[in-house]
Amino acid sequence: GAGVSQTPSNKVTEKGKYVELRCDPISGHTALYWYRQSLGQGPEFLIYFQGTGAADDSGLPNDRFFAVRPEGSVSTLKIQRTERGDSAVYLCASSPSSGGQGEQYFGPGTRLTVT
Amino acid sequence: GENVEQHPSTLSVQEGDSAVIKCTYSDSASNYFPWYKQELGKGPQLIIDIRSNVGEKKDQRIAVTLNKTAKHFSLHITETQPEDSAVYFCAASREYKLSFGAGTTVTVRA
Repeated sequence: GAGVSQTPSNKVTEKGKYVELRCDPISGHTALYWYRQSLGQGPEFLIYFQGTGAADDSGLPNDRFFAVRPEGSVSTLKIQRTERGDSAVYLCASSPSSGGQGEQYFGPGTRLTVT
Repeated sequence: GENVEQHPSTLSVQEGDSAVIKCTYSDSASNYFPWYKQELGKGPQLIIDIRSNVGEKKDQRIAVTLNKTAKHFSLHITETQPEDSAVYFCAASREYKLSFGAGTTVTVRA
């Protein structure tokens, strides 16, 4: 079946601009996660959704970052006033587990470059 | 929070030989330990995982061992093939938040 998809695959933006990154999870998966991966490092947790609500947003670096999942499926990560330090690959993962801990399946990521 | 350390950072093996990657974790409450393989330009792919009530798990050429007392776990790949070349990440969690190691770049020499 179809895996997690993310769009766009690449995004180049100027410092100070606003960007939106989209994630389509595996159909039926109730849990959705966003991670950020900098070059040469492992992914770092940003936010976890269970259904429509953000169950844990403790990994968001500051209030310029925000994510939504209004209908419990597609999620959008929004970054305001982008900075060069925001450049990274943003990964989305989904899981069939409704209780929290289950296998997480990742999408291909969106490579964000802030110039 | 959880801290996961992974060694080695790079590993070069001859085709057909075995590869071993080791990870340690800090949070004794962690109970789920997945391993991911990431190829260039792609997202991490789950290859095997183990939960804390199991000491070892095997899937064809891949095996994972867990020592909860010592808080370390390892990935073993036997009979390596060129397509095993990739970056491998270990991770640990106790609920839903995965904490990843820094990755191991595995190169299989033909």
